[in-house]
Amino acid sequence: DSGVTQTPKHLITATGQRVTLRCSPRSGDLSVYWYQQSLDQGLQFLIQYYNGEERAKGNILERFSAQQFPDLHSELNLSSLELGDSALYFCASSPQGVPRETQYFGPGTRLLVL
Amino acid sequence: AQTVTQSQPEMSVQEAETVTLSCTYDTSESDYYLFWYKQPPSRQMILVIRQEAYKQQNATENRFSVNFQKAAKSFSLKISDSQLGDAAMYFCAFTQGGSEKLVFGKGTKLTVNP
Repeated sequence: DSGVTQTPKHLITATGQRVTLRCSPRSGDLSVYWYQQSLDQGLQFLIQYYNGEERAKGNILERFSAQQFPDLHSELNLSSLELGDSALYFCASSPQGVPRETQYFGPGTRLLVL
Repeated sequence: AQTVTQSQPEMSVQEAETVTLSCTYDTSESDYYLFWYKQPPSRQMILVIRQEAYKQQNATENRFSVNFQKAAKSFSLKISDSQLGDAAMYFCAFTQGGSEKLVFGKGTKLTVNP
């Protein structure tokens, strides 16, 4: 158990819908990362937050957005969902959000868009 | 561009034997950090081992060790005394100074035969 929690574990929805994925980092970690794992794209970095502020952005679609709240939990919002958004979405956390730190991953949320 | 290449999509090993998984990476930075993550059928991403590029000594964690060849930009993972529980996808990844995101390879699926 990494100490990072993600809810829900599974999500099934229809095209065009909007969903919210939630992540709670390890106790004491200020930085949260979101990654997407799909069969065709592999594991890809989406976005990073540090202490409530966006720090880095990767291959995140405009239909996707995220935020980190004062209690440090983070939410990833996916809207106007398409079939291709079906993937496993991971949240990871680290203490200060710098390259030398290990990122610890949550169990992931499996999203299926029908 | 930062890339990670895992040239072996699949590997197999007999229980109690030793196996080596290959990884090469491309970066122009001198400050970077290398990781091996394991993803068992549960889909959880679990850190196996990490290596700081500035350290010449190869990292070791119990039955897991790396062969870090900085000049060749190679970072292979050796698993000794393989166990059935080692069966998983193994991902090589790195972060580098100025970029906190993890860049992943496409993974190697390891099968352990009894």
